[in-house]
Amino acid sequence: QVQLVESGGGVVQPGRSLRLSCAASGFTFSSYGMHWVRQAPGKGLEWVAIIWFDGSDKYYADSVKGRFTISKDNFRDTLYLEMNSLRAEDTAVYYCARTSGTPGAGILDYWGQGTLVTVSS
Amino acid sequence: QSALTQPPSASGSPGQSVTISCTGTSSDVGSYNYVSWYQQHPGKAPKLMISEVTKRPSGVPDRFSGSKSGNTASLTVSGLQAEDEADYYCSSYAGSNNWVFGGGTKLTVL
Repeated sequence: QVQLVESGGGVVQPGRSLRLSCAASGFTFSSYGMHWVRQAPGKGLEWVAIIWFDGSDKYYADSVKGRFTISKDNFRDTLYLEMNSLRAEDTAVYYCARTSGTPGAGILDYWGQGTLVTVSS
Repeated sequence: QSALTQPPSASGSPGQSVTISCTGTSSDVGSYNYVSWYQQHPGKAPKLMISEVTKRPSGVPDRFSGSKSGNTASLTVSGLQAEDEADYYCSSYAGSNNWVFGGGTKLTVL
């Protein structure tokens, strides 16, 4: 069955960097685009970034553009989110999610369990 | 990109129907039939319930249905059951490779 397992979260100081990983299994990872979505404590969902199935295109929310980089390794079946210049407002649970169908449809059909990132001094 | 507008809360008794609205603009909900709905139980990951306004993924009960009129999409849960109590989020494609979520609606089964 489809499984997505995030890792790499933790407590980090403002201005520092962190890299999240999302290990995929149970499907042909190289055939699917992937999203990162975050959820601040007690708040709603916020779209963060998308990467095309082959890594050829990447797009970001304005709130993270220029600071975050999404990538995927289709040999290791792993999605990444490199987060730089972290701010307190980046504190959230970060979910990776698979997208099916046309990318624009935004169909996030499988989600990981999330990893918590806390930005605090 | 502004979040889509959802009522903070909704409620209904077991067996009743409840509808949750999701209001966007002509740049997102009104322009694309790319509205999805997600259910999230406390401490759990979101689960896809409806995609492309009306499509129900395999395994989702047919008590859940979606619709759209103009800039507003809706999720209707019929025959409410205790396990339907959760937070519900809508999302929409917003053009230019951006996606936007609603603020979420807490559904309470009385």
